[in-house]
Amino acid sequence: AQSVTQLGSHVSVSEGALVLLRCNYSSSVPPYLFWYVQYPNQGLQLLLKYTSAATLVKGINGFEAEFKKSETSFHLTKPSAHMSDAAEYFCAVAVSNTGNQFYFGTGTSLTVIP
Amino acid sequence: ETGVTQSPTHLIKTRGQQVTLRCSSQSGHNTVSWYQQALGQGPQFIFQYYREEENGRGNFPPRFSGLQFPNYSSELNVNALELDDSALYLCASSLGQPPGLSGELFFGEGSRLTVL
Repeated sequence: AQSVTQLGSHVSVSEGALVLLRCNYSSSVPPYLFWYVQYPNQGLQLLLKYTSAATLVKGINGFEAEFKKSETSFHLTKPSAHMSDAAEYFCAVAVSNTGNQFYFGTGTSLTVIP
Repeated sequence: ETGVTQSPTHLIKTRGQQVTLRCSSQSGHNTVSWYQQALGQGPQFIFQYYREEENGRGNFPPRFSGLQFPNYSSELNVNALELDDSALYLCASSLGQPPGLSGELFFGEGSRLTVL
């Protein structure tokens, strides 16, 4: 079975500080991994995705994530937080044999302090 | 390119009623998935339609049903509404099957259902 765990339901950082949002997954087969962002009263927007190519994935708005198979992790980082990064972030996993279903974590709410 | 659109954006129903939510997929996409997002939770997979056939279902009872039309738009129907059905219902479209190989899900802004 597949699952996603996001450590820390709420993360606060100062503007300009490093953003680190944690995601660990469980999958019996090679996964496809995604990070989505959700702004208030909106749907989910893709930040980046890992699909078995390079383990370091760069996404939009300066975000990147590294796939570490040994740690079953896919943590999201951004070197310098901006006020506009305040949102809810979701990690998701899909696998090829059930690729029609995405499994989402419970989300991490990011607050950026000016 | 037209994105995923959902209607209505908000609605209020009472327990026991029925509701229909609608979704127009992004241009060129042939697969539609529905997710339920309860307050403070991540989206939970309800089911997916590929070329008008149900192609995978999550852990939801049969009173959750759906349709996909030849133009790839879709409906989610929920019968005998319960209080716990109150949530944001998200529609997502994608191209091909499965999404994990073809790319990502493209989400609409959702329909917020309140059951009283």
